[in-house]
Amino acid sequence: ELKVEQNPLFLSMQEGKNYTIYCNYSTTSDRLYWYRQDPGKSLESLFVLLSNGAVKQEGRLMASLDTKARLSTLHITAAVHDLSATYFCASHNFGNEKLTFGTGTRLTIIP
Amino acid sequence: GAGVSQSPSNKVTEKGKDVELRCDPISGHTALYWYRQSLGQGLEFLIYFQGNSAPDKSGLPSDRFSAERTGGSVSTLTIQRTQQEDSAVYLCASRQGQGVWGTQYFGPGTRLTVL
Repeated sequence: ELKVEQNPLFLSMQEGKNYTIYCNYSTTSDRLYWYRQDPGKSLESLFVLLSNGAVKQEGRLMASLDTKARLSTLHITAAVHDLSATYFCASHNFGNEKLTFGTGTRLTIIP
Repeated sequence: GAGVSQSPSNKVTEKGKDVELRCDPISGHTALYWYRQSLGQGLEFLIYFQGNSAPDKSGLPSDRFSAERTGGSVSTLTIQRTQQEDSAVYLCASRQGQGVWGTQYFGPGTRLTVL
């Protein structure tokens, strides 16, 4: 059974700083997703990573995938307040269609 | 274009009652998913529909839960004899086609509270 672990669960950081959220998954996967969720809102798709070494960037967020290590990272550069949200990674199981989500990382950016 | 819509946005019910939750996927999306988000369990897959294929029900927590998808579009998730542990936000998502790069787009969710 595929398991997905994220760390840290909670992250409080100052504006302007850099930080990384880690996502480990337990078995072979063919897709890795990152989603953002604001309080009381639904999930917003950020990135889809399909292959080893894939790197995608959007603004201050950059996601990467290492399939050999079964690790994806979400790097935040020079954080700003409006990045405060909960971030989820999700891994897709080979052979079926369901996503298995990590526990989420609640990110709070402090002015 | 319009995104995934769900109704109702909030539902409060008494223990033992049946509830129906509705999902309207993005037009043209053939794949539809139901997930549940609760404090103790995080985000859990419930059920998946793809076109006319038999649904993947492997995530349904008990036989009190069922879902159908009519005409390949709208889906209804039914919970019979609700229990307090069913309280959660129920999220619907849809995806276009079967391409490996397809993203699931989520609706706003239905917050279910069982008293």
